[in-house]
Amino acid sequence: DVKVTQSSRYLVKRTGEKVFLECVQDMDHENMFWYRQDPGLGLRLIYFSYDVKMKEKGDIPEGYSVSREKKERFSLILESASTNQTSMYLCASSFGTGVQPQHFGDGTRLSIL
Amino acid sequence: AQSVTQPDIHITVSEGASLELRCNYSYGATPYLFWYVQSPGQGLQLLLKYFSGDTLVQGIKGFEAEFKRSQSSFNLRKPSVHWSDAAEYFCAVGFGGEYGNKLVFGAGTILRVKS
Repeated sequence: DVKVTQSSRYLVKRTGEKVFLECVQDMDHENMFWYRQDPGLGLRLIYFSYDVKMKEKGDIPEGYSVSREKKERFSLILESASTNQTSMYLCASSFGTGVQPQHFGDGTRLSIL
Repeated sequence: AQSVTQPDIHITVSEGASLELRCNYSYGATPYLFWYVQSPGQGLQLLLKYFSGDTLVQGIKGFEAEFKRSQSSFNLRKPSVHWSDAAEYFCAVGFGGEYGNKLVFGAGTILRVKS
């Protein structure tokens, strides 16, 4: 069975901290995504990657960066966390062309205090 | 600009009743269309997708959706709802982009099932 694993289900950090959210997929998928989910707003794309070391900005990249050093791992980095980054973060992956996600992780609920 | 609208924030149906969740989009051409479901505490699962061809699409868990070009709609339906269908449903629309389709999600519809 396919699996997208996010390292933490719940995370509490303080403003100004550098925060790392990790995502691993075991399907050898080329594409990986980071979304942010907020009530009433649906999912918004932060960044995606279509190959190792390749990344593209999504709709809301400000305040975030990503790293993809290995095909199976895609990290989201909050350079200096702020309270408005409190949210649910979802990682996803897919194979082939196109950027629609096929498999999602269970999410990380991040609170910035 | 492209947009996706799910007009209903919440819907409550009785178990065994039929269901229709609405989705409308704004885009100049025919997009790619998706429905996802999110159960509480979990990630999203793809229910079905439309790329081209037959406008009535069958998905998993007994769901289907119909693309109506004239109405710019892609409504999700199920003839008989089960209590386990209670979840949040997201419509998503893929628009052409440099690296393939850019996916835009609707705000979601929360489905409650009453016994």
